[in-house]
Amino acid sequence: EVQLVESGGGLVQPGGSLRLSCAASGFTFSDYWMSWVRQAPGRGLEWLANIKQDGSERYSVDSVKGRFTISRDNAKSSLYLQMNSLRAEDTAVYYCTPQDAGYSYGHPYWGQGTLVTVSS
Amino acid sequence: QSALTQPASVSGSPGQSITISCTGTSSDVGGYDYVSWYQQHPGTAPKLIIYAVTHRPSGVPDRFSASKSGNTATLTISGLQAEDEADYYCNSRTNSGTWVFGGGTKLTVL
Repeated sequence: EVQLVESGGGLVQPGGSLRLSCAASGFTFSDYWMSWVRQAPGRGLEWLANIKQDGSERYSVDSVKGRFTISRDNAKSSLYLQMNSLRAEDTAVYYCTPQDAGYSYGHPYWGQGTLVTVSS
Repeated sequence: QSALTQPASVSGSPGQSITISCTGTSSDVGGYDYVSWYQQHPGTAPKLIIYAVTHRPSGVPDRFSASKSGNTATLTISGLQAEDEADYYCNSRTNSGTWVFGGGTKLTVL
């Protein structure tokens, strides 16, 4: 059974930093592109970033470029999101999700998400 | 990297059919067959219901279908049921290597 467990969320002041982690199991982590997607309270889904199987390619949206860094550790089957210079608008539930080539890089698996609240 | 355009809300009665559009550009929806759709009930994670424009994962009822024409993808739900009431999101690859979601559509079953 695929499991994705996000952690590291919490309350942080504007301008602060957080590092989110995602522990993956039930599939061969190193075979998948991995993504972070977030959802602000009462708002829609926002794709943030992804990283290739070997970490050689990374893509991110402009709103987080230069502030958020995606990384992975295949030996630990773990995905990370280093978030710096946090803003109130970064408040959201953050999901870790693999992109499955068998589903044309759609996201068939999701974790429960971790809530990040940016507030003074 | 603007969000794909979806109607904010749609509604229908049980048994009826509804459609949800997802409009992008030739740089995303129109340029790739990497369009997927997600269903999200309140307080839960999204669920993949359509991938590669028209394909349904196993376990998704065939009441759910989808298509694409030009820069617009469309999700159709036929034989509407109460449990279909949820938020629906489209998603597409872009020509910059990123992916983008639609703004989401709230489906109300009357």
